[in-house]
Amino acid sequence: QQQVKQSPQSLIVQKGGISIINCAYENTAFDYFPWYQQFPGKGPALLIAIRPDVSEKKEGRFTISFNKSAKQFSLHIMDSQPGDSATYFCAASSNDYKLSFGAGTTVTVRA
Amino acid sequence: DVKVTQSSRYLVKRTGEKVFLECVQDMDHENMFWYRQDPGLGLRLIYFSYDVKMKEKGDIPEGYSVSREKKERFSLILESASTNQTSMYLCASSSTGTVIGYTFGSGTRLTVV
Repeated sequence: QQQVKQSPQSLIVQKGGISIINCAYENTAFDYFPWYQQFPGKGPALLIAIRPDVSEKKEGRFTISFNKSAKQFSLHIMDSQPGDSATYFCAASSNDYKLSFGAGTTVTVRA
Repeated sequence: DVKVTQSSRYLVKRTGEKVFLECVQDMDHENMFWYRQDPGLGLRLIYFSYDVKMKEKGDIPEGYSVSREKKERFSLILESASTNQTSMYLCASSSTGTVIGYTFGSGTRLTVV
């Protein structure tokens, strides 16, 4: 079964709105939590990542919020733009080379 | 620009055929991975390799095998293709000691008819 559970499966947001994607995990050995962005016809690319020693990380309009006690983390896309329309995957790792991925969320930003 | 290159963008094969998917990386990465991507299931790890001639099973290895004879090349083999192996296959590589350098290829869309 999937070690990282991701929701929702898809979402639609208006331009300028906030997109929120949630992930949950059970394995307390996970110590690295990246998010990947995938455009049609391309492979996933690293977007932003966090380690559990911090509760939040922000890079531009993208923010990861991390709740260690709840074993949950989320991606917030602020001021969503049509160019953000893509599939987003959360992932987790308990070592430094193998990732377990969530099921993915397709984000559509309407102009 | 560093790259992971997958030899075919689209493949159509017949049931029972032996299928080879090739992946080459130019980053001198030790680790290489094969994932399959299916709607609603995300990316599932088939096999990975952390060194030449070394391989480990991932979460869904049944029906697949791999070969890594050179550091830069990692091949996925479907011994006898079946329709339930129709999927997008993604190759990735990373450097030992970090997942930060996880780089994916553009994928091979395999259809088994």
